[in-house]
Amino acid sequence: DTGVSQDPRHKITKRGQNVTFRCDPISEHNRLYWYRQTLGQGPEFLTYFQNEAQLEKSRLLSDRFSAERPKGSFSTLEIQRTEQGDSAMYLCASSLAYGFYGYTFGSGTRLTVV
Amino acid sequence: RKEVEQDPGPFNVPEGATVAFNCTYSNSASQSFFWYRQDCRKEPKLLMSVYSSGNEDGRFTAQLNRASQYISLLIRDSKLSDSATYLCVVSDDKIIFGKGTRLHILP
Repeated sequence: DTGVSQDPRHKITKRGQNVTFRCDPISEHNRLYWYRQTLGQGPEFLTYFQNEAQLEKSRLLSDRFSAERPKGSFSTLEIQRTEQGDSAMYLCASSLAYGFYGYTFGSGTRLTVV
Repeated sequence: RKEVEQDPGPFNVPEGATVAFNCTYSNSASQSFFWYRQDCRKEPKLLMSVYSSGNEDGRFTAQLNRASQYISLLIRDSKLSDSATYLCVVSDDKIIFGKGTRLHILP
């Protein structure tokens, strides 16, 4: 499978717990993006990387969110002390630099905080 | 002003009709433009890139007007399988999505 893969597909967690999601991009893509999507809304930008460097982090992202891409390959997104408002689909995408040829998305991780 | 704005929808149109989606963007430095399709509870998938000269792919035609900062998507002879949400995407480095316009094709 040469697409973008995300793990897990679904996560149910209790409020206050920490969760971590993983994204494996297409191998030759040096850009990796994280988005959050709630029902009826378009994907909302969270952060993105070029190789291992985190280039931008959304102002909407609280300090409870952190993302890493330590070796410029896979990435993790961690949410600490989850809140019910964190319930959403978390999407990962990858692209070649500048994305002139478009962006490929993974199937997403659906997070439910109870 | 939102970075990317789309028609609010939903659009309910009969099978065979022509459908037009509109999108405006605020950042004049944007470099790349796309239309994505998203089915219910699925990830967005690239439908087509949008070029200044306009481009066509079968029943789908995309147009870009940089001066007006406007993008459009036209679907001709719509099919039931075209029912989905259509997302306008603009990139100046990171990618920004519109809210999406939901399309229902009616038999």
